[in-house]
Amino acid sequence: DTGVSQDPRHKITKRGQNVTFRCDPISEHNRLYWYRQTLGQGPEFLTYFQNEAQLEKSRLLSDRFSAERPKGSFSTLEIQRTEQGDSAMYLCASSLAASGTVRVFGPGTRLTVL
Amino acid sequence: GESVGLHLPTLSVQEGDNSIINCAYSNSASDYFIWYKQESGKGPQFIIDIRSNMDKRQGQRVTVLLNKTVKHLSLQIAATQPGDSAVYFCAENPDNTDKLIFGTGTRLQVFP
Repeated sequence: DTGVSQDPRHKITKRGQNVTFRCDPISEHNRLYWYRQTLGQGPEFLTYFQNEAQLEKSRLLSDRFSAERPKGSFSTLEIQRTEQGDSAMYLCASSLAASGTVRVFGPGTRLTVL
Repeated sequence: GESVGLHLPTLSVQEGDNSIINCAYSNSASDYFIWYKQESGKGPQFIIDIRSNMDKRQGQRVTVLLNKTVKHLSLQIAATQPGDSAVYFCAENPDNTDKLIFGTGTRLQVFP
């Protein structure tokens, strides 16, 4: 296991389409986080899981966004009815349990909504 | 690849000099802090972390200083190299939550 992986790395879609991203965390990490980053800004927290349980969701996560981690390993982030404002880099990170531990980030999925 | 931080504060240093990147954090309840480096088109890469019960921590060529009185964090990079060119973010972890809050990044440019 060489780190956190994300797929796809780039996604171009038309407004109104649904998109789904996948994140594979470091295998021994039981916490998984999703962040969104727009140009010129730091990453913004969206949601996180401990094992398969989704423990916190940001107000940024509108009802068009849903995240799952069904078996406590990989996670998916789906955006329904995409809007141009959803264009951003979507970053996944993982860590060992408990706060105060390093989050290891993946390379991100760059979403462009036309 | 994607360009990160087009309009960020920029620190320009000469190769071999020391760099100091500063960050003001917002939450006095934060008890854990991390510095990340982000190159264009890549995810943030961990550099060094520090807990609130410390005021200084050293790594390889990097030192983080924490001043809780004024809620200030700094990253010092010794003998800066061209490969250090990137955007640097500080992040804080409030003790009542498990999410990292990122600050405004600083672009470090190293010239020969």
